[in-house]
Amino acid sequence: AQTVTQSQPEMSVQEAETVTLSCTYDTSESNYYLFWYKQPPSRQMILVIRQEAYKQQNATENRFSVNFQKAAKSFSLKISDSQLGDTAMYFCAFISNAGGTSYGKLTFGQGTILTVHP
Amino acid sequence: GAGVSQSPRYKVAKRGQDVALRCDPISGHVSLFWYQQALGQGPEFLTYFQNEAQLDKSGLPSDRFFAERPEGSVSTLKIQRTQQEDSAVYLCASSLGGLAARDTQYFGPGTRLTVL
Repeated sequence: AQTVTQSQPEMSVQEAETVTLSCTYDTSESNYYLFWYKQPPSRQMILVIRQEAYKQQNATENRFSVNFQKAAKSFSLKISDSQLGDTAMYFCAFISNAGGTSYGKLTFGQGTILTVHP
Repeated sequence: GAGVSQSPRYKVAKRGQDVALRCDPISGHVSLFWYQQALGQGPEFLTYFQNEAQLDKSGLPSDRFFAERPEGSVSTLKIQRTQQEDSAVYLCASSLGGLAARDTQYFGPGTRLTVL
């Protein structure tokens, strides 16, 4: 079974600054996907960024980037130029792609509440 | 449709009552997932449908929980004889493909169930 751990229950950052959210995971598989999801106070979960385990290059999406360390099983999210709208709960999540036939059951971490201050 | 919708958004039930939670996925999406999210926690997988077939129900906590998707579109999660520990937000998500782990899952707003 896979586990995902987010060790920072809460983080805060000033507007326009950079913040990094941590995530570690445990799996015996080599083929999988990692995600960061954002859940604003309205509660609709939105995909922020996705990383494919077989790709060494770190994924980036505008102000969001990841630091994927496969050997260390670490997957952190960096948010640059933080904006007030980034205030949300952030979840790290894992999907197995064993044998290329996985349908995509997500395993989530506990979440990190990020508050961006003006 | 424009996105995944769920109804009702809020449900209060007395212990022992049956409840039914509805999910309308994005039109044409093959995969549909139900997750349970306790307060302050990450969502946990309940069950998965590929079209009308329920391929995985390993996350359902007890036989009081039942889900269906009879025509491969709308899904209903039913909880019989609700207990206080069933209080949570129930999230529905859909994705375009079937066996495609990398497909983006689009989440609904959730149904917050409170059992008194």
